[in-house]
Amino acid sequence: AQSVTQLDSHVSVSEGTPVLLRCNYSSSYSPSLFWYVQHPNKGLQLLLKYTSAATLVKGINGFEAEFKKSETSFHLTKPSAHMSDAAEYFCVVSETGGSYIPTFGRGTSLIVHP
Amino acid sequence: NAGVTQTPKFQVLKTGQSMTLQCAQDMNHNSMYWYRQDPGMGLRLIYYSASEGTTDKGEVPNGYNVSRLNKREFSLRLESAAPSQTSVYFCASSGLAYNEQFFGPGTRLTVL
Repeated sequence: AQSVTQLDSHVSVSEGTPVLLRCNYSSSYSPSLFWYVQHPNKGLQLLLKYTSAATLVKGINGFEAEFKKSETSFHLTKPSAHMSDAAEYFCVVSETGGSYIPTFGRGTSLIVHP
Repeated sequence: NAGVTQTPKFQVLKTGQSMTLQCAQDMNHNSMYWYRQDPGMGLRLIYYSASEGTTDKGEVPNGYNVSRLNKREFSLRLESAAPSQTSVYFCASSGLAYNEQFFGPGTRLTVL
C-alpha cells in the first residue's frame, strides 16, 4: 500500500526568501513521486517528477526536490520565492510495481508576502 | 494539441437531477481518471480507466458511473445529484498508469 503526507497545510514566506514544502511517503514498491502546482481556479500542472533516476530532481520555475529513501521524503524547495509562486502544491506517489494508481497528498497552500 | 478538455466548465443542478461530465484527451494516452476536489481534502479518485475498455472504482465511487467511450473520451455521470456532490471535478490522463498525469481545467458543480 502507498500513502503520502504533506506535513504543512499552509506555508507562508516573504518574496525572495527560500521555500520548503515537506512531503513524506510510504510505498511497498519502487515509488514514482511527483509534485504538482495548482494556481487559483486552474487545473494541476506538473512541477517535477522522480522515477528512480537522479535523486535530485529539477523542475520548472526554479523548483527542485530531493528523493531521500532513508527518510522516505521528497521535499520541494526553491531558493527564492516569487509572488507568482503563490498556489496550492500537491505531492503524489504511485507504485511502479503495485496498483499504479496515484495517491495525492492533501496539499500545501503557499502564501508569498511582498 | 488541446491536451485534456472538459465540458462544461460550470454547472448548477437541483437535487435529483442527472448530468454527464465530458472529458477528452488528444495525447493518445492509455489511462484516464476522474477526481473530485474539496477544500482541505486534496484530490480524491472517483473512477479510473487503466486502458480502453476497462474501468475501476477509486476511493469515492458512490453516486457516480463512468464510460470509457473510446481511447480519447471518458465521461462521468451523476444519475441523481445530491448536495454532497457539490465539488470541482477534474479529469486527467497519463500515458502509463504510473506516469505523470495531465489535467483538464475542471468543472465546478453546484447541487442545490
